[in-house]
Amino acid sequence: DAKTTQPPSMDCAEGRAANLPCNHSTISGNEYVYWYRQIHSQGPQYIIHGLKNNETNEMASLIITEDRKSSTLILPHATLRDTAVYYCIVRKGAQKLVFGQGTRLTINP
Amino acid sequence: NAGVTQTPKFRILKIGQSMTLQCTQDMNHNYMYWYRQDPGMGLKLIYYSVGAGITDKGEVPNGYNVSRSTTEDFPLRLELAAPSQTSVYFCASSYLQSYSNQPQHFGDGTRLSIL
Repeated sequence: DAKTTQPPSMDCAEGRAANLPCNHSTISGNEYVYWYRQIHSQGPQYIIHGLKNNETNEMASLIITEDRKSSTLILPHATLRDTAVYYCIVRKGAQKLVFGQGTRLTINP
Repeated sequence: NAGVTQTPKFRILKIGQSMTLQCTQDMNHNYMYWYRQDPGMGLKLIYYSVGAGITDKGEVPNGYNVSRSTTEDFPLRLELAAPSQTSVYFCASSYLQSYSNQPQHFGDGTRLSIL
């Protein structure tokens, strides 16, 4: 699996958009980018995934650069409940997920 | 919507005791996984299964055993509990074919302390 690099922590004001970056410069052509988050010590929660096109769902948007070496997860209107550790993972097919240290996002009132 | 259900939620064991962590999913997923997460760390894969009757080791399998007799259930057994196995254990499942990239769904975890 390609390694990913994320900032260890970020802050965002409530109601603003939270933009979480991820670098995956060694990603291969058939590897997808996944985002999960973990709130407190709950089980990781799937957010979104994509291959090369931008993706949007009810939780977030995923922007992948044209060269696929980096991506950004966007939470459009962050709330206090979005405070969590966010993990960016690249994987292909049935490979296991490899969780790094993630980004600890704190939403401030 | 049950999803992935883990029992128990909490457990304290004495060194040398044994126990089984239960995991069941109702989504008809073929893949199931067991992870452990130590404080402040990411998840590490213990064992996984690609279908009933098939299991394989992950990164940290020592001290654990698994079985997969049905599609729904994937229990994790600790035979001789050791303090190093104090952790939070997560079970996950997904539906995967070689061409698909569906996400994993996780349970709420079992918090296990070995004293």
